[in-house]
Amino acid sequence: KQEVTQIPAALSVPEGENLVLNCSFTDSAIYNLQWFRQDPGKGLTSLLLIQSSQREQTSGRLNASLDKSSGRSTLYIAASQPGDSATYLCAAGSGTYKYIFGTGTRLKVLA
Amino acid sequence: GAVVSQHPSRVICKSGTSVKIECRSLDFQATTMFWYRQFPKQSLMLMATSNEGSKATYEQGVEKDKFLINHASLTLSTLTVTSAHPEDSSFYICSAFMGDRGSRGYTFGSGTRLTVV
Repeated sequence: KQEVTQIPAALSVPEGENLVLNCSFTDSAIYNLQWFRQDPGKGLTSLLLIQSSQREQTSGRLNASLDKSSGRSTLYIAASQPGDSATYLCAAGSGTYKYIFGTGTRLKVLA
Repeated sequence: GAVVSQHPSRVICKSGTSVKIECRSLDFQATTMFWYRQFPKQSLMLMATSNEGSKATYEQGVEKDKFLINHASLTLSTLTVTSAHPEDSSFYICSAFMGDRGSRGYTFGSGTRLTVV
């Protein structure tokens, strides 16, 4: 059974810092891994999708890496801004097209 | 492209009534849709997998008679919470599989906040 864990659970940083969010999964037989952002009381916004055959994806200040063999993915946020404050979720696409979500990292960027 | 529309975004209902949530794929055919539930400060938990034209597959611990799922067409899946109770208050969100898991992944609806009073 796939289990997805995210560390840290919460993070508070001053504006401008570069930061790394971690995601680990127990079953390396994934189809892809996706990072989402969720604002309070809102739905999900897809940030980056990494195919199982890829090592990383980049979008603006965001970079996500994937290491299937070690069961890890990281989301790197450069030059953080207060607008980046949200909960970040990773989700592993594994088995019959289902997504298993991580526990989330609540990020607060202080102005 | 690849938009999933979910309605309503918020609903408040009285205990004992039923609530229907709709999830529509607007510009693609979704053979498979997924329904998730999120309790406050927790992550999303998969409730069931909905396949067009067949019965939904429910995850362990999810009551199929309470959470009725219908996927009658390739663009519409509905989740009906029957005889809702306050403990059913949660954030429900659907996801559609876009038919090519290697490159397109999944797209999510905007979610429905259900409050049972």
